[in-house]
Amino acid sequence: EPEVTQTPSHQVTQMGQEVILRCVPISNHLYFYWYRQILGQKVEFLVSFYNNEISEKSEIFDDQFSVERPDGSNFTLKIRSTKLEDSAMYFCASRKEEYSYGYTFGSGTRLTVV
Amino acid sequence: DAKTTQPTSMDCAEGRAANLPCNHSTISGNEYVYWYRQIHSQGPQYIIHGLKNNETNEMASLIITEDRKSSTLILPHATLRDTAVYYCIVRDPNAGGTSYGKLTFGQGTILTVHP
Repeated sequence: EPEVTQTPSHQVTQMGQEVILRCVPISNHLYFYWYRQILGQKVEFLVSFYNNEISEKSEIFDDQFSVERPDGSNFTLKIRSTKLEDSAMYFCASRKEEYSYGYTFGSGTRLTVV
Repeated sequence: DAKTTQPTSMDCAEGRAANLPCNHSTISGNEYVYWYRQIHSQGPQYIIHGLKNNETNEMASLIITEDRKSSTLILPHATLRDTAVYYCIVRDPNAGGTSYGKLTFGQGTILTVHP
């Protein structure tokens, strides 16, 4: 069964450093998302991406965040200057069509900011 | 998207059916009911969805009441591996504009399957 692949599975970074979280969505999917989950809290939407541009973003997704699909296969989330409160699990998801049903999520990247 | 209400936690014996309820009394006519689950901090996993008819797939069954104000996810023969947080989400998959398919997760129901 096709999978969404995320790397790395765990990243530790120092406060103020830039991090890039990587995702390889399912190849024929058209819609891409990032979600995050702070330990013990709900899964929260960050951003959706379609046709090489952001289609929606949440209040969490401020100027410190950016997304890119540089080569038609990878989908990246960059945090420019990490804060302690950015520590969370970050999940990438993809979806085939606008009117399709299920999203496929990756297994996540655990980001720890120290 | 309509708000949903789920019990905080439920228990189920292994091999028995697990019936997880969800209330969505403000659901609108175009909104579907989706169920996802999350096993121990893994990524959420799609289970099933429906509009008004009952649905069944290899993972579960979804029963939606006639007035669509509530639904029940049924895992017919729960196993220990079904222990997870189960999320009921209501949304209109055809919503355009700013709603490009984002899912709004609540707290879900923690299902514990015990031997």
